[in-house]
Amino acid sequence: EAGVTQFPSHSVIEKGQTVTLRCDPISGHDNLYWYRRVMGKEIKFLLHFVKESKQDESGMPNNRFLAERTGGTYSTLKVQPAELEDSGVYFCASSQDPIWDEQFFGPGTRLTVL
Amino acid sequence: QKEVEQNSGPLSVPEGAIASLNCTYSDRGSQSFFWYRQYSGKSPELIMFIYSNGDKEDGRFTAQLNKASQYVSLLIRDSQPSDSATYLCAVNMGNNFNKFYFGSGTKLNVKP
Repeated sequence: EAGVTQFPSHSVIEKGQTVTLRCDPISGHDNLYWYRRVMGKEIKFLLHFVKESKQDESGMPNNRFLAERTGGTYSTLKVQPAELEDSGVYFCASSQDPIWDEQFFGPGTRLTVL
Repeated sequence: QKEVEQNSGPLSVPEGAIASLNCTYSDRGSQSFFWYRQYSGKSPELIMFIYSNGDKEDGRFTAQLNKASQYVSLLIRDSQPSDSATYLCAVNMGNNFNKFYFGSGTKLNVKP
């Protein structure tokens, strides 16, 4: 069974540019999550999809971040325009049950904004 | 106060010893608790989960939960150098208990 995959693994962009991160969850997992780890800080929740619907986006930093999950399969997270403080590792995770099941994490996308 | 707190370490133990990792959390209503291991540059991988008060054992690992004290721990018996990693405590919180809050992680070094 394939795990959670993310693309790209690394992205280096300049301030003001746009970047789109992609996540493919484990097949059959309705729940998809985005997290971010900024250097030296803990992993923080960004948002939670159930199928194609946003269940909770309370962790999204501001309106420069836009997440989508069209068709309830893969998800994208777009940052536009990127700022220096957006640098970090963005993790995607998926699960079957949102409360009782483990979340399976992807390898992450390391974003560097110069 | 952070939602989930862990000592950042590093915690150094000799090979073969017991490593004890601790975590406290703020939401008394939390129901599910997870320990993840993360090697440098890699994604977190699940070690154990626990839902009920008491101990849960899986091989060399034992998770302990005390909801009254809002405390969860992970014991690693017969520690091996390959156990050297950062251990993350994750607690399911939020209005719908649908999201993980992570501690900052405890770095464990097992010395041969």
